[in-house]
Amino acid sequence: KAGVTQTPRYLIKTRGQQVTLSCSPISGHRSVSWYQQTPGQGLQFLFEYFSETQRNKGNFPGRFSGRQFSNSRSEMNVSTLELGDSALYLCASSRGGLNTEAFFGQGTRLTVV
Amino acid sequence: TQLLEQSPQFLSIQEGENLTVYCNSSSVFSSLQWYRQEPGEGPVLLVTVVTGGEVKKLKRLTFQFGDARKDSSLHITAAQPGDTGLYLCAGGSGAGSYQLTFGKGTKLSVIP
Repeated sequence: KAGVTQTPRYLIKTRGQQVTLSCSPISGHRSVSWYQQTPGQGLQFLFEYFSETQRNKGNFPGRFSGRQFSNSRSEMNVSTLELGDSALYLCASSRGGLNTEAFFGQGTRLTVV
Repeated sequence: TQLLEQSPQFLSIQEGENLTVYCNSSSVFSSLQWYRQEPGEGPVLLVTVVTGGEVKKLKRLTFQFGDARKDSSLHITAAQPGDTGLYLCAGGSGAGSYQLTFGKGTKLSVIP
């Protein structure tokens, strides 16, 4: 059974640019959540999508957005990149119900210079 | 805002020693998940506990969920160098959605 796939693994961008990250969940999983991980703040919830609908959103500026496609694959976009956006971005796949288990991808390491 | 406090933040022990990591909150969670993460990789799920007072064992690892579902602990017996990593607890919540609240993690180093 294939795991959660995130692409790309590494990305270097310049301040002011925008970036799109991709996540393919485990087959059969309809929920995809995104998290930002930094040394200072740890893992912070960005948003969750279920069946193409955003069900929940964390406390991040509007520059962070996402979407989910009919095949459950998800993308997140960050516009007008800032140095502080440098982080490991993680995607989690789950069936989406309460108490279901979340499985993470390897993450995308974004560096903004 | 729900918060999870993990302690200790750092732990360095000799191979063969026992250790316990704690995860505490003032909020009630519907479930508690424990993950281990290697540098530059995504967290790997170790266990999920959902019932207050629940105890789960995974080889040398024992996980406990507090009776009130506000706290949890991870106990490792006879630690080995392969146990080295960042241990994260995450509380599940959200009516009608799925969201995990993470602790900051415990960085464990097991010295051979």
